Amino acid sequence: SQTIHQWPATLVQPVGSPLSLECTVEGTSNPNLYWYRQAAGRGLQLLFYSVGIGQISSEVPQNLSASRPQDRQFILSSKKLLLSDSGFYLCAWSLETYNEQFFGPGTRLTVL
Amino acid sequence: AQTVTQSQPEMSVQEAETVTLSCTYDTSESNYYLFWYKQPPSRQMILVIRQEAYKQQNATENRFSVNFQKAAKSFSLKISDSQLGDTAMYFCAFMKWGSGNTPLVFGKGTRLSVIA
Repeated sequence: SQTIHQWPATLVQPVGSPLSLECTVEGTSNPNLYWYRQAAGRGLQLLFYSVGIGQISSEVPQNLSASRPQDRQFILSSKKLLLSDSGFYLCAWSLETYNEQFFGPGTRLTVL
Repeated sequence: AQTVTQSQPEMSVQEAETVTLSCTYDTSESNYYLFWYKQPPSRQMILVIRQEAYKQQNATENRFSVNFQKAAKSFSLKISDSQLGDTAMYFCAFMKWGSGNTPLVFGKGTRLSVIA
């Protein structure tokens, strides 16, 4: 069966510090991968998605970036965090043949 | 671009009663999927129900059912015999028809509280 992992689960970082959030999927190959952000009181906003290694699509301009160094690994990064980067970050995966996305447990990021 | 609107930020229902959550969407697509996701306090996103736009029959999953009105672009969720475990944020989401790499577009959510 497939599983999706995210770490860390929680993170508190000062403004201006770097960020690296990791997402890995097990039990499947060639997944489509997604990063969403959920700000307080708001819905989920798509940040990035990837259909393959090294292929990243960005949905909104921001100081975040994403990379996919391996087939089942998706990384969300920032060189300098802003207060507005605080939120709950969710990674998700899907397959070409599925019309459904499966979500990870999420990472709560607080920028102080 | 597609948009999804959930006009009820918060709702409450007595245990064992029925509640309906509203969702409207805007799209120029003729084929698509609609979803309801549940996010309990654990923050894990759980798929509740899915509807294919080409299907006229409303989807049902046990106590959960939808009222899909394609012409009105409306997709409401009905929860029957509400249980305390149904307390959660509920998100309506839209996905374009096609390959599985299409991202989801979410509404802002409705916070449902089930009261004993």
